[in-house]
Amino acid sequence: GAVVSQHPSRVICKSGTSVKIECRSLDFQATTMFWYRQFPKKSLMLMATSNEGSKATYEQGVEKDKFLINHASLTLSTLTVTSAHPEDSSFYICSANQGYEETQYFGPGTRLLVL
Amino acid sequence: QQQVKQSPQSLIVQKGGISIINCAYENTAFDYFPWYQQFPGKGPALLIAIRPDVSEKKEGRFTISFNKSAKQFSLHIMDSQPGDSATYFCAASAGAQKLVFGQGTRLTINP
Repeated sequence: GAVVSQHPSRVICKSGTSVKIECRSLDFQATTMFWYRQFPKKSLMLMATSNEGSKATYEQGVEKDKFLINHASLTLSTLTVTSAHPEDSSFYICSANQGYEETQYFGPGTRLLVL
Repeated sequence: QQQVKQSPQSLIVQKGGISIINCAYENTAFDYFPWYQQFPGKGPALLIAIRPDVSEKKEGRFTISFNKSAKQFSLHIMDSQPGDSATYFCAASAGAQKLVFGQGTRLTINP
C-alpha cells in the first residue's frame, strides 16, 4: 500500500516551452502533497505544499508563476514548469501524506532536461 | 533552527560491518524522525521512523537510536550488504507538517 506514481519519468523539452508533471496516490487519498526538487548529489529541496482544493503554499525563493501547482483531487497533483529554461533542468519528486499521518510516501521522480 | 545536520557526508563500510549515520536537530517541536533510502535516479523510500517517546526502534537490520536530551538520532545498519549501497537521508517534522531533510550520506558497502 501507500504507492505514489509520477508521470512522466523523464522529459526533454525545448527552452521556452511548458512541462506538466503528474503525481498520483494510487491506493490512498492524499491529504497533502509535496513537491521537491533535487540537484545531483544534493538533498531534497521542498518547493511547495499543496492541499486538495486550495492554493499551494510555496517555500521562500520558489517562483509561484514559474512552478504552477494544481491539486485537483485527493489523488492527483500536478506541477507545471512554465517557460522552462536550462536552469530548470532537475529531478522533481512528489510525496504524499495518507490522512493526517506524518509519513510521506515519495514518487519515483521525474527527470526534466531543458535544451 | 529548522536545520537537520547529518554526518558523515560519505561512508565506506566493509560487507558485514556496521554502518552508522548521525543526525542532529535544534527544533524541539520536531516529533517525528524518519530515515529514507534513495538509489540513483529513484525517489526516496521510507526505511524506518521513530518518535521521541522511545529511545530505540529496530526493524530487521536497521535500528534508529534516539537521544532526546542531546537532540540527536542515528541509523545503524547491521551486517551491511552491497545492496545497502545508496544515499541515506534523515529528516524531521513537527506533526504532519513538512519534512526537514539532512544533507544526505552516500553509503558504499565494499564486497
